[in-house]
This record gives sequence, structure tokens and C-alpha cells, in this order.
Amino acid sequence: RKEVEQDPGPFNVPEGATVAFNCTYSNSASQSFFWYRQDCRKEPKLLMSVYSSGNEDGRFTAQLNRASQYISLLIRDSKLSDSATYLCVVKVRYSGGGADGLTFGKGTHLIIQP
Amino acid sequence: NAGVTQTPKFQVLKTGQSMTLQCAQDMNHEYMSWYRQDPGMGLRLIHYSVGAGITDQGEVPNGYNVSRSTTEDFPLRLLSAAPSQTSVYFCASSGGTFRGLRNTEAFFGQGTRLTVV
Repeated sequence: RKEVEQDPGPFNVPEGATVAFNCTYSNSASQSFFWYRQDCRKEPKLLMSVYSSGNEDGRFTAQLNRASQYISLLIRDSKLSDSATYLCVVKVRYSGGGADGLTFGKGTHLIIQP
Repeated sequence: NAGVTQTPKFQVLKTGQSMTLQCAQDMNHEYMSWYRQDPGMGLRLIHYSVGAGITDQGEVPNGYNVSRSTTEDFPLRLLSAAPSQTSVYFCASSGGTFRGLRNTEAFFGQGTRLTVV
């Protein structure tokens, strides 16, 4: 089983719609969770961290379900500029103090259509 | 505000050639890493470093070497390039603190598109 799994899509969504994607992770010792956004031919950039209580940043809502080991991202009122690949990222703390590693999902490709 | 700087942005190599991809960060981050990204495979960790003088292998280390002589620099060396190493390479760094808490955000360089023919 892969450590972080995502539906690769593509998700084709009309502008203004709400879209949600999930991500599952296999390591129950996972400590931190993130959504990164990657535009075509660009580097990944942090979109938002995911907190246990769920968190919202404008049109974006992220939720974590530790019992079921999945995280979700909800985008409301989608814009053309939201078209990108969304990477689910999980961090497990390695031993040796201060060493953190990121495990990336393969990403979900989102296309917002006018 | 430079962040993570990767060079070169593009490179074409012949099979068997060697080269070094450069990565430098100016944020005093202790953790640096190299990933490769291939279609349908996502980002895969090649090597990482938790501080100057310390490196370790990631998921796909074969054919690559790294060193970390300073906190700022983390070069990736391809010893004898192979077509299977055609990929987009990203360097990333993380570390430090923000408002007294450990900063967990990873910052990426702009990537190097490498083609081996």
C-alpha cells in the first residue's frame, strides 16, 4: 500500500462550483499534514496546513480524520486560477532529533472550466 | 528574498556524462532534500540532509551523490547519466522556527529539467 494515496483525476469542474478531494495515508505515526499546490511546470508551494480540528483559509477548507487516516480539501466558489495539481503531503518525524521528512501523494489534477 | 535557488533550469546530457545540480538556500534551514518528479510517479525523495556534514538516502538514491559541507548548499551529483534519469529535479529546504514553533513548511527551488540522451 502506498504511503499517501490520491485520486489523480483530472477533476473537470465548472467555474463557481464546489469541489472536494480526499487523500489517505498509511502511516499511523504521521504527525503533520499539508496541502501543496503545483502549477504546470512550476515548483510545489504550500497551500495550507491541516489541523486536527479542521481549518479554513478563505475559499479553502481542510479537514483531518485521524481515525480513518484521511485528509480532505474543499474548494468553494472555484476560480479559473484554481486550476492546478494539489499534492497531499504527510510528515513523519524520523528519529535523530530535528529530522523531518515529507511524503508526497502523486497529486490530484484540477481543471476549472469557464 | 532569494529562498531556494536551483541551477541550472534546463540541461541536456549525453549518456555517461556527469554533472552537478546546484541548490542553495539563504533561510538557515537545517533540512534540505532532493526530489525527482516524473509523470504519474509524483515526487520521489532522492537524498536528504538534516544538517551540515550529514546526508542520507531517500527512496531512489541510485546513480546520485550528495554532500552538505555548509548549511546553505546541497549539490546533487549525477555520476554517469542514464536516460532513466531524465526528469524534473526539485531541491527543497525546511527548518527554523516561526513564532516560537518549529516551522514545517518546505520551500522548493524552481526545478531543473534534465534530459539524458
